[in-house]
Parts: sequence; structure tokens; C-alpha cells
Amino acid sequence: ETGVTQTPRHLVMGMTNKKSLKCEQHLGHNAMYWYKQSAKKPLELMFVYSLEERVENNSVPSRFSPECPNSSHLFLHLHTLQPEDSALYLCASSQEDAPGWGGYTFGSGTRLTVV
Amino acid sequence: QQQVKQSPQSLIVQKGGISIINCAYENTAFDYFPWYQQFPGKGPALLIAIRPDVSEKKEGRFTISFNKSAKQFSLHIMDSQPGDSATYFCAASMNTGFQKLVFGTGTRLLVSP
Repeated sequence: ETGVTQTPRHLVMGMTNKKSLKCEQHLGHNAMYWYKQSAKKPLELMFVYSLEERVENNSVPSRFSPECPNSSHLFLHLHTLQPEDSALYLCASSQEDAPGWGGYTFGSGTRLTVV
Repeated sequence: QQQVKQSPQSLIVQKGGISIINCAYENTAFDYFPWYQQFPGKGPALLIAIRPDVSEKKEGRFTISFNKSAKQFSLHIMDSQPGDSATYFCAASMNTGFQKLVFGTGTRLLVSP
């Protein structure tokens, strides 16, 4: 496996369900991110973990709960979601403080549909 | 201050033509300006990036032009091909204790055969 892997690729869940999105990076990076991508809107930064510590939470509703057990894995736990939470959820990683920082590497995303 | 404004929202170019996408920013603390390319069903992938100490960067058919005084930068795709049809995002980054990327709204490019 190389790059950033996200599972599942597609998820349909009811508003009362609890589910988790998983992200794994094989790049040796030390920072990981969750972004939300909705149609016709900029990518929205949700959470940032740098060196396994959460360093930013962009006022995301508490029904989204991140977890970063180590520098290679990132989870997004979901519960009691709303239909407007339907979107593509993207995970990304980067190497902080690298000379000539080269941006993020994104996974392919999880397409979430809340019914 | 944190926004990056991107235009146009969509673009249709004939094969062999030049595609031009523009972005503007306000925050002079931004110090890294990448462009990402996204195909349907995939995450964005880094295409090309520039830092504000240069005015132009070229990689193959892709060129970034950067105007620091106007706080604008643009992506030019020369000899556009149908395989270039994708959504393109500009972004800008600053170090706020970690590198934070702020994205534009995206441009959907269609290159007609």
C-alpha cells in the first residue's frame, strides 16, 4: 500500500447510526487532516493532527469526533448525523517542518450519504 | 483574509487550446501556492506549486504565473488535452504552527476533442 488510503469508499447511514471513517498513510508524514468536500463549496478543513495531537478544530459539530491513535492512522467517528452532512470526506497527510514543504497528499475520500 | 477566490467556476476549451484559471488572495502571510487536480472519484492531487519569491514556474504543459503585488496567481494549461478534463483547485498556505491550506472553490475544466 502506498500513499493515503481511506475506507470505506462509500457509506450510507441513517441519522441514528454510528459509523467510523478510517484513514491510513504510508508516507511517514507527521500531520493528518480531515476535510469535507461539498458541491460548489471550498474544501472545508475539519480537524488537524500534528504529531498525533489535535491542533485545530474548525468549529465542527460534536457529532463528528476524530481520533488519531498514531501518526499513520486517523479516524472520524460519526453519530446522529444530519442529511446536510452528506459529502465527500477527504483525509490528507503532510510532513510538517520539511524543507520546501510540499503540500498535502490526499486520499480518494469516503462518499457519505445520510438518509 | 483567509479566503482564496477562484474563477471561472467552469471552463470549456477545445483540444490544443490554452486553459487559464485565476485566483486571488488577500492575506500576505500566505507563502506557498499550490494547484490541485481532482478527477471524479479521486482525491485532489498536487499538480504544481509556487512560492512568492518567483513570478513563474513551468512544469511540462502546466505553468503558474504569480503576481505578488496584485496578490493574484493563475494556472495556464498549454495544448489542453481531453485527459486534462478535471476540477482544478488553487490553494494558499501559511504556517500557523502547522501548514494550513486554504482552498479556492474549484474550476471544472472540460476539454472538448
